[in-house]
Amino acid sequence: DAEITQSPRHKITETGRQVTLACHQTWNHNNMFWYRQDLGHGLRLIHYSYGVQDTNKGEVSDGYSVSRSNTEDLPLTLESAASSQTSVYFCATRRGVNTEAFFGQGTRLTVV
Amino acid sequence: TQLLEQSPQFLSIQEGENLTVYCNSSSVFSSLQWYRQEPGEGPVLLVTVVTGGEVKKLKRLTFQFGDARKDSSLHITAAQTGDTGLYLCAGPVKAGNMLTFGGGTRLMVKP
Repeated sequence: DAEITQSPRHKITETGRQVTLACHQTWNHNNMFWYRQDLGHGLRLIHYSYGVQDTNKGEVSDGYSVSRSNTEDLPLTLESAASSQTSVYFCATRRGVNTEAFFGQGTRLTVV
Repeated sequence: TQLLEQSPQFLSIQEGENLTVYCNSSSVFSSLQWYRQEPGEGPVLLVTVVTGGEVKKLKRLTFQFGDARKDSSLHITAAQTGDTGLYLCAGPVKAGNMLTFGGGTRLMVKP
């Protein structure tokens, strides 16, 4: 069965460190997304990609970057972690408009 | 300000009660989706509505898309403890494959 996996599931890091969260999907979808989820804010889009070498900023992209070198992976990098980036991060993929978005299980990141 | 506003934010009811959750916007959406999320998991799709006025039923859950395609509602009949979770509405933006989400309604159904 196709799936989308995130790693690690939990991470604690120090302020100022660079952190990379992994996302791997076997749906063979071109569209991949990173969201963060905070209480009271629902899911907010950080970055997204519509295919290899394509990356775009979402509504809360400051301090984050992504790269897309193949169809399966969209790693999310926090250039210099800040306490405001403590959150739960979800990766998602979908085939196209009006189709189901499939989410990973999330990564809980704590910046201390 | 979020494009999609959900109400109520929190709802605690007894098993067997009925409830309705709302998703509203000032913008027109070509479609809306409803997802349910359980603790420690990612959201899972419940339904997609694409036509203004459309009503879809999923067992005890009834979803409606407003005639003007600016709002949607989720009605649960005879709620069960298994319905407990976070309900999120979502819609496409910029005519693309991106989804914007509402803030969610956290439902707790007590036995």
